[in-house]
Amino acid sequence: DAGITQSPRHKVTETGTPVTLRCHQTENHRYMYWYRQDPGHGLRLIHYSYGVKDTDKGEVSDGYSVSRSKTEDFLLTLESATSSQTSVYFCAISENSGGYETQYFGPGTRLLVL
Amino acid sequence: KQEVTQIPAALSVPEGENLVLNCSFTDSAIYNLQWFRQDPGKGLTSLLLIQSSQREQTSGRLNASLDKSSGRSTLYIAASQPGDSATYLCAVRSTGNQFYFGTGTSLTVIP
Repeated sequence: DAGITQSPRHKVTETGTPVTLRCHQTENHRYMYWYRQDPGHGLRLIHYSYGVKDTDKGEVSDGYSVSRSKTEDFLLTLESATSSQTSVYFCAISENSGGYETQYFGPGTRLLVL
Repeated sequence: KQEVTQIPAALSVPEGENLVLNCSFTDSAIYNLQWFRQDPGKGLTSLLLIQSSQREQTSGRLNASLDKSSGRSTLYIAASQPGDSATYLCAVRSTGNQFYFGTGTSLTVIP
């Protein structure tokens, strides 16, 4: 399972509060990703990282920021949570095997913004 | 922007039947295509990865094919079992290191 953990696994928060989700990996993978999964939309990329302090935006990055100060941790922050950010958030890594990138996912974080 | 579509959205079959799940994508310039399984309330589990230069990959009762020129992939499941019930997603890796996902096919195998 590529040693990916996410915390917290469940969170309920109120509109306007900041929220930080953590993704931790134990196998020194370079690439890490944050996705959100919503009914009817599948998984959509929020941000990704290609190294310590190297990050880039995905297709739904508005309202989210990320940080990666060490290889094993990738943090996703909702600066001021809104109800539209209620979702299931997945962290993933990509592993290079034989020159090709394969993705592996964490267990997910269920976020409810009231 | 790459668009990935999976049809049907839901499928119900009796146990033992062979079945095919479909995935189509709009931009044929892909590096690879990956099939995942997702159980309710769980993360995604990688099933098969097909490189852009390959035509198919097999793992046990699963066979995935890729026709890059037509923008299509299929996942064939032989002799379906109730334990195969899950949502199946396909994802393509396009330029850069971004992956684009379909919305999935929810499969129910009836005992």
